[in-house]
Parts: sequence; C-alpha cells; structure tokens
Amino acid sequence: AQSVAQPEDQVNVAEGNPLTVKCTYSVSGNPYLFWYVQYPNRGLQFLLKYITGDNLVKGSYGFEAEFNKSQTSFHLKKPSALVSDSALYFCAVRDTFNDYKLSFGAGTTVTVRA
Amino acid sequence: DGGITQSPKYLFRKEGQNVTLSCEQNLNHDAMYWYRQDPGQGLRLIYYSQIVNDFQKGDIAEGYSVSREKKESFPLTVTSAQKNPTAFYLCASTGGETQYFGPGTRLLVL
Repeated sequence: AQSVAQPEDQVNVAEGNPLTVKCTYSVSGNPYLFWYVQYPNRGLQFLLKYITGDNLVKGSYGFEAEFNKSQTSFHLKKPSALVSDSALYFCAVRDTFNDYKLSFGAGTTVTVRA
Repeated sequence: DGGITQSPKYLFRKEGQNVTLSCEQNLNHDAMYWYRQDPGQGLRLIYYSQIVNDFQKGDIAEGYSVSREKKESFPLTVTSAQKNPTAFYLCASTGGETQYFGPGTRLLVL
C-alpha cells in the first residue's frame, strides 16, 4: 500500500519569508514523488518530481523539494515566498510496483500575506 | 493544463439523471485517469485506462462508468446510482512518470 500525509492543513507566511510545505510518504518499493499546485477552480499544475538521483530537486516558479529516504519525507520549499504563491499544494507518491496509481495527500493551503 | 481539455466547466444534474463529462487530450498519452476532488480529501481515483478499449476501476468507481474508444478521449458518466455526485472532477493523462491534469468540471446537483 502507498500513502501520503501532509500534516498541515494550512501554512501562513509573510511575503519574502521562506516557505515550507511538509509531506511524508509510505510505499512498498522505491518512491516516485511529486508536488502539484492548484489555484481556485483550476486543475492541478505539476511543480516538480523526484524519481532518482540528487535528493534536492528544483522545479517551476523557484520551488524545490528535498527527498529524505530515512525520514520518508519530501518537503516543498521556496526561499522567498510571493503573494502569488497562495494556493493549494498537493504531494503525491507512486511506488515502482504500481505503475498507474498516484496517491495524493489531503492538500495544504498556503497563504502568503503582503 | 497543457493539452488536456475538459467540458463543460460547470454541469448541473437533476435527480435520476445520467450526465457525461468530456475529457480530450492531444498529448499522445496512453494512460488516462478520472479523479474526484472533495474539500479536505485530496484526490480520489475513480477509473483509469492504460490503453484503448481497456479500463479499470479505481478506489471509488461505484456510480460511475467510462469508455475508451479512442486514445485521445476518456469520457466519464455519472449515473443516477451515484447518490452524492457534487464534486470537482479532474481528468489526467500520463507522459513518462508524470501525470498532467485538465482544468476540471464542477458538477452540481439541482
């Protein structure tokens, strides 16, 4: 079985401050990990993924994420948040034994105040 | 949202009515998916198809049906057996390891 936990329903930060959105996962095999962002009444936009290789992954809009195998975590980070980063963020995982199924966390709402 | 289109953007269903949500992709992806999104619950998989003329149930298939007659199309029918259909429905397709999503259809019950 595979699952994802996003422990924070909401994250609030001031513009210009660092932003972190937490994600932990559970899989049987090796994980494929993804972050998506969703703006109101829109589909999900792909931000970044970890498949293999360097544990620090860089993605769109200045976001990055660090894969930590020992802590089974894949936290999303941005060094300096923008008001336009306010959105709903989803972490997702797929293991190498399930080539079709992506399991999503419940989502974290990020609010960046000016 | 890339090359995945969903229509309509909003759909209203009357009691006892079947309704069909459209999903089309021009990305030449083999695999396509339907998800349901409810507030605070993330995305739940309804059906998926890895190849034309073949599809499998996901985690919450009851009350839904699909077809995959063409590679680029994967319509979802919400039947009258689905008693709580109000939700945001998202279609996706897979290119390589990554799933890409359409803009979604919001289904409301009259």
